[in-house]
Amino acid sequence: NAGVTQTPKFRILKIGQSMTLQCTQDMNHNYMYWYRQDPGMGLKLIYYSVGAGITDKGEVPNGYNVSRSTTEDFPLRLELAAPSQTSVYFCATHNEKLFFGSGTQLSVL
Amino acid sequence: LAKTTQPISMDSYEGQEVNITCSHNNIATNDYITWYQQFPSQGPRFIIQGYKTKVTNEVASLFIPADRKSSTLSLPRVSLSDTAVYYCLVGDGKWRGGGNKLTFGTGTQLKVEL
Repeated sequence: NAGVTQTPKFRILKIGQSMTLQCTQDMNHNYMYWYRQDPGMGLKLIYYSVGAGITDKGEVPNGYNVSRSTTEDFPLRLELAAPSQTSVYFCATHNEKLFFGSGTQLSVL
Repeated sequence: LAKTTQPISMDSYEGQEVNITCSHNNIATNDYITWYQQFPSQGPRFIIQGYKTKVTNEVASLFIPADRKSSTLSLPRVSLSDTAVYYCLVGDGKWRGGGNKLTFGTGTQLKVEL
């Protein structure tokens, strides 16, 4: 099992561009989460989902959108990238505990 | 959701036992307590989880007093490779007593030296 797979691993965006961070899992977990981590800081919850078709906001949802059409996939969309969104993004699933992907390092210049 | 408070940083030397305490005064009845370890440029990974008293696995022990308002992660005989950030998370676990919104505190940066 691959667990939680995030793509891409690195990306540089220009201000105003949009992109989708991909997250897919093969563990059949219903709960999925998106976190961001700024340099030297802790993890902040962006969005989460309790199952296909159901999503909800976390602590810092502004500037992001999510969808959950299948159990496996939970993409995170940035519509108008801003320098404040420069961060490392982690996707995770949950089944009694959290299982994290390896992260996407995003720079907005 | 139970808010957690941990020391920002701790220093230790190789071979010593390290104890990191987390305060969670408003923990709910069904909340489990979980500790995660994070190395630079990696996602956090599970260390240990408990509900009450003491839990031990191959890498750590978790002590939870009767009132469950705090917990202590104990790392025996640390090495340089234990240098990492350690997070205490409340509301995790199979009953999801804290609900679905799993949020992290600031974590504790542990630095182990020779």
